Amino acid sequence: DVKVTQSSRYLVKRTGEKVFLECVQDMDHENMFWYRQDPGLGLRLIYFSYDVKMKEKGDIPEGYSVSREKKERFSLILESASTNQTSMYLCASRRQGARQPQHFGDGTRLSIL
Amino acid sequence: KNQVEQSPQSLIILEGKNCTLQCNYTVSPFSNLRWYKQDTGRGPVSLTIMTFSENTKSNGRYTATLDADTKQSSLHITASQLSDSASYICVVSGGNNRLAFGKGNQVVVIP
Repeated sequence: DVKVTQSSRYLVKRTGEKVFLECVQDMDHENMFWYRQDPGLGLRLIYFSYDVKMKEKGDIPEGYSVSREKKERFSLILESASTNQTSMYLCASRRQGARQPQHFGDGTRLSIL
Repeated sequence: KNQVEQSPQSLIILEGKNCTLQCNYTVSPFSNLRWYKQDTGRGPVSLTIMTFSENTKSNGRYTATLDADTKQSSLHITASQLSDSASYICVVSGGNNRLAFGKGNQVVVIP
């Protein structure tokens, strides 16, 4: 089974801090994604990566950056955390191809105080 | 405007009963439509994928339908169980490989 592991289930940070969310997948998938999930808004794409060192902006990239130095690891960075970034963050990976399913991690619930 | 609309937003059903969830989309061109199940506190898990040429597909007690002409899909749950309590998310893939997500149908099964 594909396993997508997010480094923390719960995280509390203060406004202005630089925050790192880590995601690791064990199936050699080319594509990786970062989403945030908010009540009433559903899943929204922040950034995605088609392959190592490649990244593309999603629908809501403002205030975020990403890093993919190794194929199995995709990091989401909040450069200067703000309270409106309090949310559930979900990482996903997928084998290349439009018909391939995304495999999700169990999420990181991030609170910015 | 959201390109994927799901209804009802939430519903409560008795264990053993059937229910049907709806997904209407405006994504064009269309590549495929996938239903995900998301248990509380977990990430979404794929249930089924529908392509243009498929109009029905089953996965155990879950049956998905697709009408590509009217751009509608449904997910039917037969003989519901308590473990079916979850959010069901409809995701449509367009020609540019981008995904459009619905906001989900929240299902609660009560004994």
